[in-house]
Amino acid sequence: RKEVEQDPGPFNVPEGATVAFNCTYSNSASQSFFWYRQDCRKEPKLLMSVYSSGNEDGRFTAQLNRASQYISLLIRDSKLSDSATYLCVVPPLNAGGTSYGKLTFGQGTILTVHP
Amino acid sequence: NAGVTQTPKFRILKIGQSMTLQCAQDMNHNYMYWYRQDPGMGLKLIYYSVGAGITDKGEVPNGYNVSRSTTEDFPLRLELAAPSQTSVYFCASNGQWNTEAFFGQGTRLTVV
Repeated sequence: RKEVEQDPGPFNVPEGATVAFNCTYSNSASQSFFWYRQDCRKEPKLLMSVYSSGNEDGRFTAQLNRASQYISLLIRDSKLSDSATYLCVVPPLNAGGTSYGKLTFGQGTILTVHP
Repeated sequence: NAGVTQTPKFRILKIGQSMTLQCAQDMNHNYMYWYRQDPGMGLKLIYYSVGAGITDKGEVPNGYNVSRSTTEDFPLRLELAAPSQTSVYFCASNGQWNTEAFFGQGTRLTVV
């Protein structure tokens, strides 16, 4: 099983819709979770960090489900400007509970919001 | 605020040539990473470093080499360029393993 897996999509939604994507992870001991946003041909930028059960920032909510080992990203009231690729990152842990630095990304979920 | 600086932004190489992609950060970050991203694909980790003098292979290290002689710099060396190395290369850094990673603007490399 890959360390991090995402549904690549694409998700095509109308403006104003609510959309959610999931990211599954393999290490049950993981403590930190990140969602990044990448616009076409640009560098990824941090959208949201999750260190406990979840996080909310305006129209964006990240929820952690430890039992099923996935983290979701919910976008409410979608805007055209939300069109991008959303990347999930879950730093892998060593036996001591810290990361050995091998920061890998999920393959990304493509979102297109149309008028 | 410079953050993570990559040079060059664009480069065309001929098959068999060599080059070094430069990456520098001014945030005193311990962790640095090199990724490649092929069109329509995700980020693949090439090499990473957890501090000066310490580097390790990622998912796709073949054809590349790195060094980390200072905290600030993490150059990526391509020896004997091949068309399969045509990609966009991103360098990133973070201060701790569980904090935000900052990316450079990328180097777009074409091997012909």
